[in-house]
Amino acid sequence: EDQVTQSPEALRLQEGESSSLNCSYTVSGLRGLFWYRQDPGKGPEFLFTLYSAGEEKEKERLKATLTKKESFLHITAPKPEDSATYLCAVQDYKLSFGAGTTVTVRA
Amino acid sequence: SAVISQKPSRDICQRGTSLTIQCQVDSQVTMMFWYRQQPGQSLTLIATANQGSEATYESGFVIDKFPISRPNLTFSTLTVSNMSPEDSSIYLCSVPSGRGYNEQFFGPGTRLTVL
Repeated sequence: EDQVTQSPEALRLQEGESSSLNCSYTVSGLRGLFWYRQDPGKGPEFLFTLYSAGEEKEKERLKATLTKKESFLHITAPKPEDSATYLCAVQDYKLSFGAGTTVTVRA
Repeated sequence: SAVISQKPSRDICQRGTSLTIQCQVDSQVTMMFWYRQQPGQSLTLIATANQGSEATYESGFVIDKFPISRPNLTFSTLTVSNMSPEDSSIYLCSVPSGRGYNEQFFGPGTRLTVL
């Protein structure tokens, strides 16, 4: 069965303090690795899809990278509005989600 | 990306009753997915709803507890039957989109509390 492990569970950052979130996975046939952002009381918001090792995607202060065993979501110079839970998911025939990393950015 | 709406956005229900959650998409899609997100946990796929056929349920979920309807290509319902407090969760629908329909976009969710 597919397994997705995210670390850390929670991350508290000062505004401007860059950091990285980790997503390690095991999957029989990777069709894609996905990053989502989820705000309290809302559904997940799609951020990125990565399909192959070495691929990178960027959006504003976020950059996602992928290796054969893990993915990183780098947050550069975060702002308070980046506070959210970030979810990682892998897909073979279905999406399997990790438990998420809750990021809090203090002004 | 697809625009997805869900009704109700939240509800508080009594033990033993049933609640039907609606999911409406602004475009026609073949597959729709229903997920559960229990408090403090991540998303778990309940079932895949295909138009014109029976829904496909994941291990641990059964049709008697979570009946699904898919009357057309833009709409689906999930019923949570004979509810207990353990059913208190956020229920989300999603649809595939993007490159090769490999990406999923989620509705806003329905927050269910069972007393």
